[in-house]
Order: sequence, then C-alpha cells, then structure tokens
Amino acid sequence: AQKITQTQPGMFVQEKEAVTLDCTYDTSDQSYGLFWYKQPSSGEMIFLIYQGSYDEQNATEGRYSLNFQKARKSANLVISASQLGDSAMYFCAMRGPTGNQFYFGTGTSLTVIP
Amino acid sequence: GAVVSQHPSWVICKSGTSVKIECRSLDFQATTMFWYRQFPKQSLMLMATSNEGSKATYEQGVEKDKFLINHASLTLSTLTVTSAHPEDSSFYICSVPQGGTEAFFGQGTRLTVV
Repeated sequence: AQKITQTQPGMFVQEKEAVTLDCTYDTSDQSYGLFWYKQPSSGEMIFLIYQGSYDEQNATEGRYSLNFQKARKSANLVISASQLGDSAMYFCAMRGPTGNQFYFGTGTSLTVIP
Repeated sequence: GAVVSQHPSWVICKSGTSVKIECRSLDFQATTMFWYRQFPKQSLMLMATSNEGSKATYEQGVEKDKFLINHASLTLSTLTVTSAHPEDSSFYICSVPQGGTEAFFGQGTRLTVV
C-alpha cells in the first residue's frame, strides 16, 4: 500500500525567502510518480511539479523544485523567492499502482509573511 | 483554461434529499475518472474510480448505494449523494488522468447538508 507523510501541518516563510516542504513516502512499487499540488482557499487543485521514480535529475518548474532522495524515500518541495500568493495548502501525492489514482499526504499549510 | 469542469461549485441541500455532481472532461476523452472527498482541514481521500462502460470501483468504507457514480460518456461522470445527511457535508472533487504524468482536477464542489 502507498503511504504519504507530511509532518509539517503549518509553515511560515518571509516573503522572498525560500521554503522547503517535507514529504516522505512508502511504497513497494518500483515504478511510481510523485506529485505536488497547491490548494488555495478556493479549493481547486493546482499541479506544481512531478518526479518519476526513475528520473535521475530533480524536477524543476520555475520557482518550484523537488528534492528527490530515493534511498530515503523523500520528495521535498522547495519554493524559492516566496510570494504572498504562495500562501495555500500544499499536498504531496503519489500515483497509485494502476498509474492513475492518487494518494495524498495530509498537507502543509504555508503562510507567506510580508 | 480549465480542462475539467465540475458543477456545481457549491450546493446546499436539505437532509434526506439527493444531490448530483457532474465532472466533465473538456479537452479529451476519459475512460476513467476519480472522485475524492475532503473534509475541512484534511487531505483528499479517494472515494471511487468511475469507469466508462462498467461499474464504478469503490474504496473500502465507501457506501456504493449512497454515493452513486455513473460514467455516462467518455467525457462525463456524475456522483450522486443519495439521502444526504449533515455528515456528508464535505468538499468533493474529481480528477481526470491524462497520460502517465498528468492529472487534472475539477474545481470541486462544496456540499452542505442542513
């Protein structure tokens, strides 16, 4: 079974600073995908970044990067140069064994302070 | 623009009535869609997998007779909450997989049962 753990229920970061949101996972699958989503108060799920288990390079998407440490089963999200609009819930997710459904962590609430 | 449209975005209904939520894929056909439920300040939990042309697959603990899923076409899945009760009040959101690394989410539906 897949399990995603996010140990930081809430985080604060100063505007323009970088912040790391932690995510660890557990799976017996050899091939899997890891995702980060942002959920603002409106509720929509906004895709941020994807990392495949066989990808050797850490994924990057603009100000988002994923620090993938496969041996430690961690996939931390790094947001650089935080902006006020980054304040939201952030969910780490793993793609399920059939490749389509997601299993989510409990989320981290990020607040960017001016 | 949005590739998955979910309607309604919010609904208030009386206890004992039924509510139908639509999830529509706008840009591509989807033989599979997923329905999630999210209670306040909690994570998204997979409820069921909607399969075009066959019965939905429900996760353990989800009552199939209460949460009726119909995958009417390759672009439409509906979730009907039957005989709704206050404990069914939640945020319901659908997702449509696209390729191996993508998944698009609807805007979500906030259901309040009074």
